[in-house]
Amino acid sequence: GENVEQHPSTLSVQEGDSAVIKCTYSDSASNYFPWYKQELGKGPQLIIDIRSNVGEKKDQRIAVTLNKTAKHFSLHITETQPEDSAVYFCAASRGGKSTFGDGTTLTVKP
Amino acid sequence: DGGITQSPKYLFRKEGQNVTLSCEQNLNHDAMYWYRQDPGQGLRLIYYSQIVNDFQKGDIAEGYSVSREKKESFPLTVTSAQKNPTAFYLCASSIDGGTYEQYFGPGTRLTVT
Repeated sequence: GENVEQHPSTLSVQEGDSAVIKCTYSDSASNYFPWYKQELGKGPQLIIDIRSNVGEKKDQRIAVTLNKTAKHFSLHITETQPEDSAVYFCAASRGGKSTFGDGTTLTVKP
Repeated sequence: DGGITQSPKYLFRKEGQNVTLSCEQNLNHDAMYWYRQDPGQGLRLIYYSQIVNDFQKGDIAEGYSVSREKKESFPLTVTSAQKNPTAFYLCASSIDGGTYEQYFGPGTRLTVT
């Protein structure tokens, strides 16, 4: 089955700095790669996603890149703010079934 | 408001008892999912259903059971056969069984002692 590895597990940055989270996947048939943000005690919420026919996607301060050959994708957050502090999960999906990474706890220090 | 509701938010049970977690959605989504989340780990798929009256086992289905008699409802039963049931349980739905965003409920924290 699919295996998704996510790094780092924790990330601490100063407000205004950039944050990068990386994921690798094993199943070359995976074709949809969402990123979710989870705040304490809540369910995850989609922040950005990318499909396998696209290499990069951007939405304001958030961007995702996908390298299908290397089977890895990354989340980039620029100009980080304290409200960006949360747990971030990547996922690799195929046929409606998603496999999630173990999550990255991002802390943005004011 | 459209969304997914899970109840209750906190649930306490004694070991050996079965317990059912509720999940309801009014998004008119065909697909629904149950995940288990443990501290420091990602979401692990328990069961999923792509259409009413049909469901498939996920990666960690042992000790759990589900039903999908109505489009909007996908209850999860944690049976006494589940060896380590204490966890945070998340229900999600998506438009259909294809590759689309999943919408998550607020979760149920189950504690079994």
